[in-house]
Amino acid sequence: KAGVTQTPRYLIKTRGQQVTLSCSPISGHRSVSWYQQTPGQGLQFLFEYFSETQRNKGNFPGRFSGRQFSNSRSEMNVSTLELGDSALYLCASSFRDSPTYEQYFGPGTRLTVT
Amino acid sequence: AQSVTQLGSHVSVSEGALVLLRCNYSSSVPPYLFWYVQYPNQGLQLLLKYTTGATLVKGINGFEAEFKKSETSFHLTKPSAHMSDAAEYFCAVSPNVNSGGSNYKLTFGKGTLLTVNP
Repeated sequence: KAGVTQTPRYLIKTRGQQVTLSCSPISGHRSVSWYQQTPGQGLQFLFEYFSETQRNKGNFPGRFSGRQFSNSRSEMNVSTLELGDSALYLCASSFRDSPTYEQYFGPGTRLTVT
Repeated sequence: AQSVTQLGSHVSVSEGALVLLRCNYSSSVPPYLFWYVQYPNQGLQLLLKYTTGATLVKGINGFEAEFKKSETSFHLTKPSAHMSDAAEYFCAVSPNVNSGGSNYKLTFGKGTLLTVNP
């Protein structure tokens, strides 16, 4: 069974631009979560989607948004990029919306903002 | 709000030595607890988890952790370190839904980088 895939793996953008990252969960998984990983702040929760609905959102500005499609694939978008948005963005999928079900993480998209 | 503290951002051990990575949590009720490992340029892989039942949890690659409610701890151990264990380890918690919590996010500690010396 294929794992969680994230595209692109690496991305370089300029301040002020916007970016869209994509995540394809494991087949059959309906829950997708996004996390931002930086050396200073560590791993921080961005948002979680289940059946195309955002059910929880972390403490990030409105420039960060996401969506989930009917096939459970998810995208996140960051508008008006800032230097501080440089990070590894990780997507995780889970079979069900339960903490007892393992979250499977993708390899991440490394975003560099210059 | 929940929080996780990992004591020691960097732990160095010799090959064959005991590995002990410390994790303490803060929560009004015992949460669900997890340990993840991250190898360079990769995502996170679940090592083990505690939800209910036996407080000593065994995971993959010979790791285990013990949930101690009185100490609000969930330390990760491995009797004998191997070179392949070198990686960054993250402790995480999520709310216990049986106590009315929402299960939709993991709160991570800052991570502990484990190096294994030959």
